[in-house]
Order: sequence, then C-alpha cells, then structure tokens
Amino acid sequence: DPKIIQKPKYLVAVTGSEKILICEQYLGHNAMYWYRQSAKKPLEFMFSYSYQKLMDNQTASSRFQPQSSKKNHLDLQITALKPDDSATYFCASSQDLYEQYFGPGTRLTVL
Amino acid sequence: GEQVEQRPPHLSVREGDSAIIICTYTDSATAYFSWYKQEAGAGLQLLMSVLSNVDRKEEQGLTVLLNKKDKRLSLNLTAAHPGDSAVYFCAVSAVTNTGKLTFGDGTVLTVKP
Repeated sequence: DPKIIQKPKYLVAVTGSEKILICEQYLGHNAMYWYRQSAKKPLEFMFSYSYQKLMDNQTASSRFQPQSSKKNHLDLQITALKPDDSATYFCASSQDLYEQYFGPGTRLTVL
Repeated sequence: GEQVEQRPPHLSVREGDSAIIICTYTDSATAYFSWYKQEAGAGLQLLMSVLSNVDRKEEQGLTVLLNKKDKRLSLNLTAAHPGDSAVYFCAVSAVTNTGKLTFGDGTVLTVKP
C-alpha cells in the first residue's frame, strides 16, 4: 500500500484559476514538506511543517499556501495560476527533520 | 544560501562497472547528507543518508563518502546493473535544520548490458 498519497496524479488548469494539491502520509511522521520539480529547477524546496506548524517557507509568492488540517495531511493551495507554475509537485514526510520520504508527485500543467 | 554542485550530469557505464557521482556543497554548517534515486515518471527513493559525524557508509552495493574538509559527498555504485539506470540526486541540509533539503541538479545514470 502506498504510504504517501498525492492526489491527483495529473492536473490541468487554466491561467488565473486555483487548484489544491492533496497530500496524505501514513508513515506516522510528524513533519511534512512540499517540493517542486521543473525543467528550470530540478528540485526546489517550498515549505516544511513540523507538528502542523510552519517551519520554513522558501516560496517567494503568497499564491502558494500550505494547509494542514490533520497531522498527516499537508495540502497545497495555489491561486492565480500561471504557466510558470507548471511543474511536478512532490510531497514528503519525515519522523524528524532529516530522512525524508517522497510521494509519487502531482504533475501540474497550466495552460 | 547553500549551493550544491553535482557531477557528472550524465554517466554511462557497462553492467558490472562502478559508477561514481560527486557533489560539492558550500555551507560549512551542512550537517545532513543524502542520496535519492528517481526512476522515470516516479517519485524520489531515499537510498542512503549520513550525518556529518560519519565519513563512510556502505549498504547493499552503495558507498557514501563524506569529506568535510573539501565539502564533498560521493556515491559509489559498485557492480552497477541495468536496473540502476535512473536519475540520482544528492540532497543536503544545514545544522539549523528546518527540514529544507538543497538538491544537486541530478545525474542521469545509464547502465548498459
């Protein structure tokens, strides 16, 4: 059974719209993360949460908002989508703040 | 901020040969070092990780070497096989840890039969 679930696997959106990327982990970890992978920047850290509290935010834009409704959930809301937001978004989790395990990713395409 | 350089960007070896990938980092406060494997269309698989108090770690045909003086991390795949073909990334984080991993740009490894 997959231990980190990301939904949806593929997502197509139009410029200016809003989307939510879902992440759930069943590893019992207390920290969760979002990373982005695109052709321009292979793997880029976005956010980290520990015990549902924001630890680090490296996104330059407030259009990206993480949402943690439960300890094992960390969703990513993206508003006012732009074509440059097209990327694969990976969720990860860890027990401490070191060994991180990654989900399968959500591939977002913004037209 | 931390900068990580990874080389080579592409590496092709024959089955049974060794493959060595090297990363250099800039921040002397870097405390955690890891390697990931990404197969086509998939997520990242954690291969191995070490803290800064470890110079060498071996597991299942993989060797990680850490040279803190030169700020260099390497991954050695001994006796590579075609199933090892993938993209490999190093990833590091600082001692003041917020969980942020800084990744190298990746190495595309091709193992030919």
